[in-house]
Amino acid sequence: QVQLVQSGSELKEPGASVKVSCKASGYTFTTYGVSWVRQAPGQGLEWMGWINTNTGNPTYVQAFRGRFVFSLDTSVSTAYLQINSLKAEDTALYYCARKSLGYNYGDYWGQGTPVTVSS
Amino acid sequence: EIVLTQSPGTLSLSPGEGATLSCRASQSISNNYLAWYQQKPGQAPRLLIYGASSRATGIPDRFSGSGSGTDFALTISRLEPEDFAVYYCQQYGSSPSTFGQGTRLEIK
Repeated sequence: QVQLVQSGSELKEPGASVKVSCKASGYTFTTYGVSWVRQAPGQGLEWMGWINTNTGNPTYVQAFRGRFVFSLDTSVSTAYLQINSLKAEDTALYYCARKSLGYNYGDYWGQGTPVTVSS
Repeated sequence: EIVLTQSPGTLSLSPGEGATLSCRASQSISNNYLAWYQQKPGQAPRLLIYGASSRATGIPDRFSGSGSGTDFALTISRLEPEDFAVYYCQQYGSSPSTFGQGTRLEIK
């Protein structure tokens, strides 16, 4: 069955970097893109962008250009979200989701990775 | 970008009743590319509906989606206890994809 398993919670200081992983199983990884979605504490969902797992080409929503980096390791069917120069407002739950074939909605989701930025 | 406004913010109903959740877009959604998700506390979102009216795999037929253009709805015909959750709509017809702010469905 399709599964996306994300890495565990992270506690980082402002200015540091964090890398969240999303390991896929149960399907051919390079057939479906991976989207990233942010959920701030007590808030709604915010689509950050996605990465084409076949070409490695990332697409970022404007608000997430610069400090946010999507990457892949196709040899282990894993997508990554790296956030650089962390700020307190980056504190959130980060989800990866399998991007449905040809369409920009998530048909299977990871369990989410909490990232807390605090000194 | 397209802004999605969901209403009501909170809906209080009893098990067995029917529920209708609304999602209104600031401009027409291309090809009716609208999805609905259910999110329970401490869980990831779960895809319910895509393409405005197609049920995702394994979703009970008491969930149905309708609408076109700028006005969409999610209907739950007979509420089960496990249906009480937060529901989000998402448009994916225009870039960037955007979500509504959510409707909380709570037990009355």
